[in-house]
Amino acid sequence: EDQVTQSPEALRLQEGESSSLNCSYTVSGLRGLFWYRQDPGKGPEFLFTLYSAGEEKEKERLKATLTKKESFLHITAPKPEDSATYLCAVGGHSGGGADGLTFGKGTHLIIQP
Amino acid sequence: GAGVSQSPSNKVTEKGKDVELRCDPISGHTALYWYRQSLGQGLEFLIYFQGNSAPDKSGLPSDRFSAERTGGSVSTLTIQRTQQEDSAVYLCASSLPPREGTQYFGPGTRLLVL
Repeated sequence: EDQVTQSPEALRLQEGESSSLNCSYTVSGLRGLFWYRQDPGKGPEFLFTLYSAGEEKEKERLKATLTKKESFLHITAPKPEDSATYLCAVGGHSGGGADGLTFGKGTHLIIQP
Repeated sequence: GAGVSQSPSNKVTEKGKDVELRCDPISGHTALYWYRQSLGQGLEFLIYFQGNSAPDKSGLPSDRFSAERTGGSVSTLTIQRTQQEDSAVYLCASSLPPREGTQYFGPGTRLLVL
């Protein structure tokens, strides 16, 4: 069964203070690892897809990396508008139904001005 | 372009009543997914539709839950004889094939069963 564990559960940073969010996973045949951002009362918003170990992707202040066991979402010099819950999900060959994604519980990120 | 839309945005019902939740996927997306997000829990996969193939129902929690997709587009998730534990946000997502395709989510329907 595919599993995704995200840490920390919550993180409070000062504006401009860089940090990383962790996503550890076990999956039977990785089809893709996905990062989403979710604001209160809204659906998840797609950020990145990573397919193989060593892959990296960047978007503004965010950079996602992938190894065979975990993914990191690095946030550089964050701003208050980066405050949200960040979700990690994997698509495997056996979890979340054969075709659905298995999600972690998310990291609730707060950036204080 | 238009994203995934869901209706209603909020639904309050009484225990034992049936409810129907609607999802309009992104135009041209052949894959459609339903997930459930309960307070303090991660998103839980419910069901997957791909084109005209038989749906993957492996995530449905009980036989009170069913879903259909008409004309390869709009989908309806039906919960019969609702229970208080059914209270959650129900999210719909769509994607292009193949299975590795990125899923784009709608805003969700917040269901409260009293």
